[in-house]
Amino acid sequence: DIVMTQSPLSLSVTPGEPASISCRSSRSLLDRDGANIYLDWYLQKPGQPPQLLIYTVSYRASGVPDRFSASGSGTDFTLKISRVEADDVGIYYCMQRLDFPSYTFGQGTKLEIK
Amino acid sequence: EVQLVQPGAEVKKPGESLKISCKGSGYRFTKFWVAWVRQMPGKGLEWMGLVFPGDSDSRYSPSFRGQVTISADKSTNTAYLQWRSLRASDTAIYFCATRNRTAGPFEIWGQGTMVTV
Repeated sequence: DIVMTQSPLSLSVTPGEPASISCRSSRSLLDRDGANIYLDWYLQKPGQPPQLLIYTVSYRASGVPDRFSASGSGTDFTLKISRVEADDVGIYYCMQRLDFPSYTFGQGTKLEIK
Repeated sequence: EVQLVQPGAEVKKPGESLKISCKGSGYRFTKFWVAWVRQMPGKGLEWMGLVFPGDSDSRYSPSFRGQVTISADKSTNTAYLQWRSLRASDTAIYFCATRNRTAGPFEIWGQGTMVTV
């Protein structure tokens, strides 16, 4: 399996301040064609299913505010929130969907508001 | 509206069998893989496997192969996750998820079924 490692595992942020979460994969997520990198980000708010934030490294899902951005290549990826809001609390997961059918999630990063 | 509907909860005893459902609507159910994801109490997300409803092709992550059975009934637009003999360690929330474009992300999720053993 491809192992996904996130850091930090928790962070506490003042509203209006930025936040950043790192995700590292145990091997490159670049597909055989070299055309796509299958790394997605999800947010799971308390008591809800995960919701897609970012797909294929950097594409925002429908309805996701532009405060959220993501980047990365190969094995190292980053999710950034430019100005954290109270509604952003929850657990953020990265997920690789290169290694079919054994997709894997990171351990999760819990975001709290100060 | 595109959605996946799951029952809210199931309570079973150890050793019993269980089959939980995930009914799709609002899109071409037979065209896209449906996945199952486990979340044990207070823990993270674990990818279990998928089924392609068009031909019932099922694939499993190594950790779950042989532990559960994933299937689908295209006549009712429903995917299933099944256990033959439940254990206390199967207590978890089970989410189904799907996509609405080929090779796209899994952006449609059910609300989850809480299974208590």
